[in-house]
Amino acid sequence: QVQLLQSGADVKKPGASVKISCKASGYTFTTRGINWVRQAPGQGLEWVGWINPQNGNRNQPVKFWGRVTMTTDTATNTAYMELRNLKPDDTAVYFCARDIDDSDWYNFDHWGQGTPVTVSS
Amino acid sequence: DIQMTQSPSSLSASVGDTVTITCRASEDITNNLAWLQQKPGEAPKSLIYSASTLHTGVPSKFSGSGSGTEFTLTINNLQPEDFATYYCQHHNSFPPTFGQGTKLDI
Repeated sequence: QVQLLQSGADVKKPGASVKISCKASGYTFTTRGINWVRQAPGQGLEWVGWINPQNGNRNQPVKFWGRVTMTTDTATNTAYMELRNLKPDDTAVYFCARDIDDSDWYNFDHWGQGTPVTVSS
Repeated sequence: DIQMTQSPSSLSASVGDTVTITCRASEDITNNLAWLQQKPGEAPKSLIYSASTLHTGVPSKFSGSGSGTEFTLTINNLQPEDFATYYCQHHNSFPPTFGQGTKLDI
């Protein structure tokens, strides 16, 4: 069965960086895009970006340009999302989510369990 | 970016009821609309994509309809496990965006 297993909770100070992992199993990793979505406490869902594990192509909203780096390791079937220069309003639960197929981007079928990140001095 | 607006923001219902949630897109997204369910402390769960197609394992009590800019999610015969927050999300183009959520409670 498809599983996306994320790394554990993290606490960072403002200005620091955090790198979250999402280990995929139960399917061929390079055949589906991986998305990152975040949810601030008590708030809705916000899309952070997308990466194609087969070729490394990425998309992300303008607001995250220069602060978010998404990568994949096809040897370990793991996707990573690094967020730099953390601010308190980056405090959120970060989810990875798989595309339903290789031509239907941003259409999620499976989700990771979420990684809480707290940014506080 | 395409704006997604859900109504209502919250909804009270009882076990056995049927409820409908509406989602409007700020521009035509054809049928590229998904519905997600999220319970407190859990990851979202994908219920429906392409406006009306149920993901594998999702019970038929959930149904979606609509196209263009207006969409609905209907839940029949509400059970205790259905009380959650529901989000719509377009998967039409970059960037995907979400509605603000509809909290369904008793």
